[in-house]
Amino acid sequence: TQLLEQSPQFLSIQEGENLTVYCNSSSVFSSLQWYRQEPGEGPVLLVTVVTGGEVKKLKRLTFQFGDARKDSSLHITAAQPGDTGLYLCAGAPGNQFYFGTGTSLTVIP
Amino acid sequence: EAGVAQSPRYKIIEKRQSVAFWCNPISGHATLYWYQQILGQGPKLLIQFQNNGVVDDSQLPKDRFSAERLKGVDSTLKIQPAKLEDSAVYLCASSSLRTGGRDAYEQYFGPGTRLTVT
Repeated sequence: TQLLEQSPQFLSIQEGENLTVYCNSSSVFSSLQWYRQEPGEGPVLLVTVVTGGEVKKLKRLTFQFGDARKDSSLHITAAQPGDTGLYLCAGAPGNQFYFGTGTSLTVIP
Repeated sequence: EAGVAQSPRYKIIEKRQSVAFWCNPISGHATLYWYQQILGQGPKLLIQFQNNGVVDDSQLPKDRFSAERLKGVDSTLKIQPAKLEDSAVYLCASSSLRTGGRDAYEQYFGPGTRLTVT
C-alpha cells in the first residue's frame, strides 16, 4: 500500500484537451508538493500547497489542496506536447518524505 | 546557482559486484536525500541526511546499501553486493530544510544515475 496514491497511472491525450490528475492519501499533510519529471532527468518542483482548500495557478496548471489536507489535484488546461512527463505529488506526514505513485502524461500533437 | 551534481550518469555491473554513486548538493543546503526510482514509479526515499547526521534510513536495505556524508557536503551511496532488483535510477536531492512553513521539504534533484545490474 502506497501512502500517496495517484490516478490515473497513465494518461494519453490530444493537444488542446484538458485533464486532471489526483493525489490521495489517508494521512494528513502539512504541505504537498507537485513535481514534473522528464525522461533522463530528476523531478522538478512545480508548486507547494500549504493551506487546506488552497488553489494555486501556474499558467495553464491549477493545483488544489483538499480541505482536510489529505488530497490534492492538478488540472491542466489546453495541454501541450511540452506538458508530457511524469507528474508526482509528494509530502511528509511526519518526518519521512514520500512521493506518490506517479502519473505518466503523454500529449500527442 | 549550480544545481545538484551526480556521477556517474550511467553504470552497468554484474550481480554481486559493488558500485558507488557520488552526489554534490547545492551549496548551503543542509539536507541531502538519496532515492531509488524504478522505471515508471515514484522515487522511494532511501536515506536522508541533515548535515552529516542520518535523519532517516528506515527504507535503506542495510545488508547491502550504505551511505555517508562526510563533512556535511558531498555524499556517496554504495551497493555491495548488487542484485538484479537494484536496477533503477538513483537520485540525489538537497534542500535547505526549514522547520515548518511553505519551504519545508522543497527539494532540488540531480539528474540521477541509471544503474543496470546484469
